[in-house]
Amino acid sequence: GAVVSQHPSWVICKSGTSVKIECRSLDFQATTMFWYRQFPKQSLMLMATSNEGSKATYEQGVEKDKFLINHASLTLSTLTVTSAHPEDSSFYICSASRRVDKTGELFFGEGSRLTVL
Amino acid sequence: AQSVTQPDIHITVSEGASLELRCNYSYGATPYLFWYVQSPGQGLQLLLKYFSGDTLVQGIKGFEAEFKRSQSSFNLRKPSVHWSDAAEYFCAVGARPSSYKLIFGSGTRLLVRP
Repeated sequence: GAVVSQHPSWVICKSGTSVKIECRSLDFQATTMFWYRQFPKQSLMLMATSNEGSKATYEQGVEKDKFLINHASLTLSTLTVTSAHPEDSSFYICSASRRVDKTGELFFGEGSRLTVL
Repeated sequence: AQSVTQPDIHITVSEGASLELRCNYSYGATPYLFWYVQSPGQGLQLLLKYFSGDTLVQGIKGFEAEFKRSQSSFNLRKPSVHWSDAAEYFCAVGARPSSYKLIFGSGTRLLVRP
């Protein structure tokens, strides 16, 4: 149980286009979902926290208009990279906390690699 | 402010040898500590976590970690490493369980020699 799936696992797009990445909790309801960005050989940097039905909370330095997050249901959050540029190329990972779980455990997706040409 | 330091960028051990990955944290209150493992191109898998109680925590895949408050450390250990353990390991600290907002260390890449 507690599986989180991301789609697509990798995507290549042209500069200036927008890309949407989905994060789904497959077998549980997720109270909160988190989006991270990971540069090669570096750690995960939290970008934003999203709660179902409310606006996402962005970390300092993360552009809200560039990284649009929608958490429309308890099992789905989406990250849209708008007007993508080569510097947005990165590995994006989501995680989710279980609605009934108070232990603080997060369940991570397998990540989505974005390459902007 | 919370911070996590993993002083070793990469470590190489021989298969069957013991392993210790270091993690030091900075936090003003009782920390909640985690170790995650990431295989290449994959998401993160929880190895173990510490919230309270016994300072020696057992995890999956034969890993354990010991919380030492006096040293602000939460080092990860395994008595005998397998080739499949080669991966990136991240230590993380959270403010409290229900916040879920984790601060990750920079990671330690484990290489295993045959």
